[in-house]
Amino acid sequence: NAGVTQTPKFRILKIGQSMTLQCTQDMNHNYMYWYRQDPGMGLKLIYYSVGAGITDKGEVPNGYNVSRSTTEDFPLRLELAAPSQTSVYFCASSSPLRTLPQHFGDGTRLSIL
Amino acid sequence: TQLLEQSPQFLSIQEGENLTVYCNSSSVFSSLQWYRQEPGEGPVLLVTVVTGGEVKKLKRLTFQFGDARKDSSLHITAAQPGDTGLYLCAGGRETSGSRLTFGEGTQLTVNP
Repeated sequence: NAGVTQTPKFRILKIGQSMTLQCTQDMNHNYMYWYRQDPGMGLKLIYYSVGAGITDKGEVPNGYNVSRSTTEDFPLRLELAAPSQTSVYFCASSSPLRTLPQHFGDGTRLSIL
Repeated sequence: TQLLEQSPQFLSIQEGENLTVYCNSSSVFSSLQWYRQEPGEGPVLLVTVVTGGEVKKLKRLTFQFGDARKDSSLHITAAQPGDTGLYLCAGGRETSGSRLTFGEGTQLTVNP
């Protein structure tokens, strides 16, 4: 089972460039999430989705956009990259039941220079 | 506002020692999960606790949810180098659906 797959694994951007972080899951989960993880700061929720066509902001949504056209895919878009967006980005998926695990991808390490 | 505080932030011990990691909050959570993350990978769920006072054991790991459901602890007995990793607690609330609030993590290093 592939689970949650994120691409690319690493990327370096220049300030002001744009890019899309891809996330796909094969577990037929309705719920999907994007987090960023900075050193010593745990995981911060950027955006989440409870199903195709439905997205909502998390704790730190500024500078990011998402879309959810299918159950499987949940891409994260950076429109104007800034140094503050240097981080490791994780995508996760889960079933609606809160007590079940969130399944994480292996992350995208993004550096903005 | 950091709703879940973990302590210690870093812990370096020798193989065979015991240790306890704490996860504290001033808020009540309806569920509490512990994840373990290794370098270059995403977090992986270890356990979920949902009842105040609940204790769960996973081999040498013992997890406890506080009676008031505001805190949790993870105790490792006879730590091994394979236990090295970042341990994250994550709380869920009835009003937040499936969203979780993560603590900052405890980086554990077990030296041979």
